[in-house]
Amino acid sequence: EVQLVESGGGLVQPGGSLRLSCAASGFTFSSHWMTWVRQAPGKGLEWVANIKQDGSEKYYVDSVKGRFTISRDNAENSLYLQMNSLRAEDTAVYYCARVPGRDSWWDYWGQGTLVTVSS
Amino acid sequence: DIQMTQSPSSLSASVGDRVTITCRASQRISRWLAWYQQKPGKAPKVLIYSASSLQSGVPSRFSGSGSGTDFTLTISSLQPEDFATYYCQHSDSYPVTFGGGTKVEIK
Repeated sequence: EVQLVESGGGLVQPGGSLRLSCAASGFTFSSHWMTWVRQAPGKGLEWVANIKQDGSEKYYVDSVKGRFTISRDNAENSLYLQMNSLRAEDTAVYYCARVPGRDSWWDYWGQGTLVTVSS
Repeated sequence: DIQMTQSPSSLSASVGDRVTITCRASQRISRWLAWYQQKPGKAPKVLIYSASSLQSGVPSRFSGSGSGTDFTLTISSLQPEDFATYYCQHSDSYPVTFGGGTKVEIK
């Protein structure tokens, strides 16, 4: 059974940092692009970042470029999102999700982890 | 960036109704479009990918159509478990973007 389990969310002050993790199981993690998607409270979905199977390609939404870094450890079956210089508008539930093929849509999602940026 | 515009933003319908949600892309995206269903407090669930391909395990009352800039998600006979918010999403190019969502409520 495919499982994605996020962790690392919490309350952080503006300007602070946080590292999210996503533990993957039930599939060959190293064979899939992976994604972070976020959802601000009461709002719609926003794609944040994608990473290729071997980590050689990474893509970000403009609003997080230079502040967030997506990475992965295929030996540990884990996906990460390092978030620096956090802003109030980064407050959201962050989901990790699996890309099934080459096309960027997602067939499996984690349960999400809440990040709150507030003083 | 490609903008995705969904309509309506909300609708009220009864069990058994046929429901249609539309999604328009600001430029042509071929068939690089997916549809998701999201219930409160839950992660999204993919229903349709490549505009019209039904994801495994999704009931056949859900269908998708369209190409280029105009797309449609149809629920042929609305069931109680279908009351949720629906999102379209393009994957033509980066950045990937979603529509604003359509909330389907009980009439």
